[in-house]
Amino acid sequence: EVHLVESGGGLVQPGGSLRLSCTASGFTSSDYAMHWVRQAPGKGLEYVSAIRNNGRDTYYADSVKGRFHISRDNSKRIVFLQMSSLRTEDTAVYYCVKGFKIGLGPTDFDYWGQGTLVTVSS
Amino acid sequence: DIQMTQSPSSLSASVGDRVTITCRASQGINTWLAWYQQKPAKAPKSLIYAASSLQSGVPSKFSGNGSGTDFTLTINSLQPEDFATYYCQQYDSFPPTFGGGTKVEIK
Repeated sequence: EVHLVESGGGLVQPGGSLRLSCTASGFTSSDYAMHWVRQAPGKGLEYVSAIRNNGRDTYYADSVKGRFHISRDNSKRIVFLQMSSLRTEDTAVYYCVKGFKIGLGPTDFDYWGQGTLVTVSS
Repeated sequence: DIQMTQSPSSLSASVGDRVTITCRASQGINTWLAWYQQKPAKAPKSLIYAASSLQSGVPSKFSGNGSGTDFTLTINSLQPEDFATYYCQQYDSFPPTFGGGTKVEIK
């Protein structure tokens, strides 16, 4: 059974940093691009970042470009989202999500983690 | 990026009702459209892909239709467990984009 488990969320001050982790199990994660989608409190879903199966290609939404960095360690089946220069508008639940493609092509998503809450506040 | 617009943003319905949610894309996306259900404090769950194909395990009370720019999600015989927020998502072009959501509430 596929499982995606996020960790690393918490309370951080504006301008601070946080690293999220997503541990995958139940499938060969190195065969798939992996994605992060976030949801601000009471709001809709926002596609944030993605990484190709081999880590060579990445994508960032304009709202996080230059501040977030996505990476992966396929030997440990973990995907990371390093978040820096955090702003109050980054407050959200961050979901790790699996799609159907190896690369960064458009895809729908079949499995979502339970999410980890990031709160940026002074 | 392709913009996805859902309507209505919320609706009230009774148990047993049939409801239809609409999703419109800012440009043609063929049938590259997915629907998700999200219950409070839970992750979204995939319901439909390719506009009308049900994910494994999803009951046939859910159905999707449409192509190009206009799509619908219909839920027949609404049950208490169906009260949730529903999102559409296009995957015709990168990056994938989501609609704003439709909250289905109990009347």
